[in-house]
Amino acid sequence: QLQLQESGSGLVKPSETLSLACTVSGGSINDNSYSWGWIRQPPGKGLEWIGSMYNSGTTYYNPSLKSRVTISVDTSKNQVSLKLTSVTAADTAMYHCARGDVVAAADRWGQGTLVTVSS
Amino acid sequence: QSVLTQPPSASGTPGQRVTISCSGSTSNIGRNTVNWYQQLPGAAPKLLIYHTHQRPSGVPDRFSGSKSGTSASLAISGLQSDDEADYYCAAWDDSLNGHWVFGGGTKLTVL
Repeated sequence: QLQLQESGSGLVKPSETLSLACTVSGGSINDNSYSWGWIRQPPGKGLEWIGSMYNSGTTYYNPSLKSRVTISVDTSKNQVSLKLTSVTAADTAMYHCARGDVVAAADRWGQGTLVTVSS
Repeated sequence: QSVLTQPPSASGTPGQRVTISCSGSTSNIGRNTVNWYQQLPGAAPKLLIYHTHQRPSGVPDRFSGSKSGTSASLAISGLQSDDEADYYCAAWDDSLNGHWVFGGGTKLTVL
């Protein structure tokens, strides 16, 4: 059974870089049928797609975040990572790792990790 | 402000049929298929509908999706108390090199 588990710092200072990792178990991140990415949800608000990456190396990013986001995949660790630079309080959110494909933004979700941006 | 527009709330009584709308544009719903997600309180979202009307294994056939032009709908028949949740639509948007867009979510209350 596929499981996605997020990890990383829960508290980041303004202007610094948010870094998260997602470890995939019960399946291979090498599966070319799927993309791997991130979706976030600010407290009390709706879902916002951040971006995703296919094994081909093709990445897609939310245009509003593109200048600050990097998503990468480490096949040796079966992990997908997120880096978001120059964070502000508006980046405070629950960050979910997600597996997607061409017909679904996410068909499997991690439970999420809460990241707070505060000094 | 979300690219896809959903009503913020909807409600129904047990056994009723309710629909939730999702309005977009030609670059997203007009050209591509639609997903629907269910988020129960305190839980991660779950894929409910993909490819506009397909249900993943395990999703009851009480849930159905449809699309017309640049709008989509999720219908829930035989409403149950544990259907009370937030529902989100999503679609691929072909603009700006392509990206997924979500609706703002609809909170469904079972009265």
